[in-house]
Amino acid sequence: GQQVMQIPQYQHVQEGEDFTTYCNSSTTLSNIQWYKQRPGGHPVFLIQLVKSGEVKKQKRLTFQFGEAKKNSSLHITATQTTDVGTYFCANAGGTSYGKLTFGQGTILTVHP
Amino acid sequence: NAGVTQTPKFQVLKTGQSMTLQCAQDMNHEYMSWYRQDPGMGLRLIHYSVGAGITDQGEVPNGYNVSRSTTEDFPLRLLSAAPSQTSVYFCASLRTEGGEQYFGPGTRLTVT
Repeated sequence: GQQVMQIPQYQHVQEGEDFTTYCNSSTTLSNIQWYKQRPGGHPVFLIQLVKSGEVKKQKRLTFQFGEAKKNSSLHITATQTTDVGTYFCANAGGTSYGKLTFGQGTILTVHP
Repeated sequence: NAGVTQTPKFQVLKTGQSMTLQCAQDMNHEYMSWYRQDPGMGLRLIHYSVGAGITDQGEVPNGYNVSRSTTEDFPLRLLSAAPSQTSVYFCASLRTEGGEQYFGPGTRLTVT
């Protein structure tokens, strides 16, 4: 997959505040996936985006894929303590979804 | 379904020792992958397989061997452990439709 840069590396929020993490690439991406990893756990698939300008929602989570397919974002509205963890974006290279290239991840801490 | 299972959960090796990390899945997925996770570096692909008898290198393959004799199993072999291989290792299998990767619980390896 293509190299993806993810920012910020860390984010500390108060419960109820919103949170956004961004994923950027210098080249056009065929797809972007998002994963969540709880502390001490394993990555869990959240969603995949493949279309230019695509927006998908899962309850309080909103995922966007840029019009140029070079960036993506994950936005969480009104964070809860259960949102704590590391959020990764990843790109599956070419036609092989088995080859994921991950961003560095954003570690989210939520203070009650 | 047990999903993706990995053994052992923890392992301590001395430099120069060899060992095999086991990975099995019962979802009849064709694609399987091995990743290592190091702080601040996300997950990096070591090796992957698109089916029994077919393997290929990922981003960081040096020092590791894999084989895929059955659809279910994808062991990762460390030939001569080095301190730089201290990491958390995740095995994943892929549901080709939708691109979702299912991760195992991980093996935490320390090489002294």
